[in-house]
Amino acid sequence: AQTVTQSQPEMSVQEAETVTLSCTYDTSESDYYLFWYKQPPSRQMILVIRQEAYKQQNATENRFSVNFQKAAKSFSLKISDSQLGDAAMYFCASLLNRDDKIIFGKGTRLHILP
Amino acid sequence: NAGVMQNPRHLVRRRGQEARLRCSPMKGHSHVYWYRQLPEEGLKFMVYLQKENIIDESGMPKERFSAEFPKEGPSILRIQQVVRGDSAAYFCASSLVNRETQYFGPGTRLLVL
Repeated sequence: AQTVTQSQPEMSVQEAETVTLSCTYDTSESDYYLFWYKQPPSRQMILVIRQEAYKQQNATENRFSVNFQKAAKSFSLKISDSQLGDAAMYFCASLLNRDDKIIFGKGTRLHILP
Repeated sequence: NAGVMQNPRHLVRRRGQEARLRCSPMKGHSHVYWYRQLPEEGLKFMVYLQKENIIDESGMPKERFSAEFPKEGPSILRIQQVVRGDSAAYFCASSLVNRETQYFGPGTRLLVL
């Protein structure tokens, strides 16, 4: 079965600092996608970043980057120069290439301290 | 280019009533997915539809829940005879092709009194 685990229910970071959110996943497949979604207080689900498992290069989107360790099945999200608007729940998720359903972790609530 | 639209954003129902949730996918997207989010939980897959077809309903409760995506108009998630345990946020997502990035709507918050 496919599982996604986020071991940090909550985290805090000082504004302008860097924070890393952890995520591990379990799958026997070799072809899949990994995602980080952000859910701010508005509860909208916003795609932050996406990684194809076959790509060795870590995905980057402006201040957001991932550390994808395929052998360790680890997919952490790094947020640089944290801003107040980054405060949200962050969900790690996976999607098998042969499947339709995204599997989500339970989320990490990120607080930004001014 | 409008994103995924869902309405209503908030819905209050009494036990035993019916709830109808609507989802209009992004322009050009023909793949629609419904997810449910219970309080303090991640999203859980319910059903995947293409136009006029249910492709995967493995996450849908066997009773009281149904979904459709007609040739014309939005996708509908229907919950009959709602119970308090149905209170949750229901999210719709769409994608251009299957197994590609899914873009989410703002969700419908259902509260059953």
